[in-house]
Order: sequence, then structure tokens, then C-alpha cells
Amino acid sequence: DAEITQSPRHKITETGRQVTLACHQTWNHNNMFWYRQDLGHGLRLIHYSYGVQDTNKGEVSDGYSVSRSNTEDLPLTLESAASSQTSVYFCASSGDNQETQYFGPGTRLLVL
Amino acid sequence: AQSVTQLDSHVSVSEGTPVLLRCNYSSSYSPSLFWYVQHPNKGLQLLLKYTSAATLVKGINGFEAEFKKSETSFHLTKPSAHMSDAAEYFCVVRTSGTYKYIFGTGTRLKVLA
Repeated sequence: DAEITQSPRHKITETGRQVTLACHQTWNHNNMFWYRQDLGHGLRLIHYSYGVQDTNKGEVSDGYSVSRSNTEDLPLTLESAASSQTSVYFCASSGDNQETQYFGPGTRLLVL
Repeated sequence: AQSVTQLDSHVSVSEGTPVLLRCNYSSSYSPSLFWYVQHPNKGLQLLLKYTSAATLVKGINGFEAEFKKSETSFHLTKPSAHMSDAAEYFCVVRTSGTYKYIFGTGTRLKVLA
């Protein structure tokens, strides 16, 4: 069955370190999204991509970057981790002309 | 600009009683609206969606929602709550002309035995 996976599921890091969170989907979807979830804010969009070599900033993109070298993967990089980036991160994907986004299980990141 | 407002951050019901989770939206266009559920320490699962077809939308696990344009609402209901319904629920609008979502802040549903 097609799925979307995230790794690691839990990560502890220190401020200033570079961190990369992986997202892999086997739906063959062109559209991929990264969100962060914080209490009182719901999910907020960090970055998104509509296809290979396409990346776009969302509403909370400062301090984050993504790259899209193939259809299946959209890794999220925190260039220099800050305590404010402690959060739960979700990856999602959707197909062209499809309304529904499918979500991964999430990565819980703690920045000390 | 489009937005969604979930009117209650917490809702408690007794098992077997009806559930009502309220969502209002703001959109200049005919919106696409969704309800997602998140069980503790899990990802998000689609409950149901409205995409300009029937205004009463049926979803999984006995949930349904009614799109009311005059009231700009998309409330989620279930006739009889089950303990397994305890979770966080998100109302979502898709931004016009894109594949991007805007999330409400969530409603945490507690089901009492």
C-alpha cells in the first residue's frame, strides 16, 4: 500500500546544530507540504513543493529550508536549530487535481 | 483571504450523547472544507470533505458535517459519542487556486464514561 513516512520519529538536538527531517511518500504525488504543530496554533505551513525542483515558502518559513530532487522525498532542514523550533513536524502530500492531503505520522523535535 | 475559526478549544460529552464541533469559515470563493481527526501521538486522518457537491457530507465513523453558506459554517456532528472519538479535530479550508490548506486551531473532544 502507498504511504507517507517520516524519520526520525523523535529527535533531540542542541541549539545551533543543523537538523534534517526526512519525508518519503510512495503515492507518486507531485505536491508535498511541511507543517509544524504547536499548542494553540493548529498546523502552520512551513514550506511546500508542487514538483521536482519546485519549492515555496509557507507562513512560517524562517530558519527552515527544503529541496526537492525527486518526486518521493521532501527533506526539511533546520539550518541552525533554535529552541523556538521545538515542535511536532508533519509532512503531507496530495496528487494533482486532488483535494485531500495525506499526512505522515509526525516527528517530535526537541531543541535544547 | 481565507480562514477558519473553531469556536471551541475543548468540548466534553458523555458517551452515547451527541457531538457538535463548530467551525466557521471566511472565503471570497466557494470553499473546499475538510475535517481531520488526530488521535493522541498520531498523524492526521481525513474524516470528511466538502467540495461543492452535496451540502450534507457523511464521513467515517458516523460523523457528518453540513455546509451552510448563509451562516458560513461547517459544523461537525455525530449522533452518539463513543469513547474512541476522544481526539483533536481540525477544521481546514483549502486556499482558492492552490493545493494549500489553512487549519483551524483545533477542538479537543473529551468523551466521559
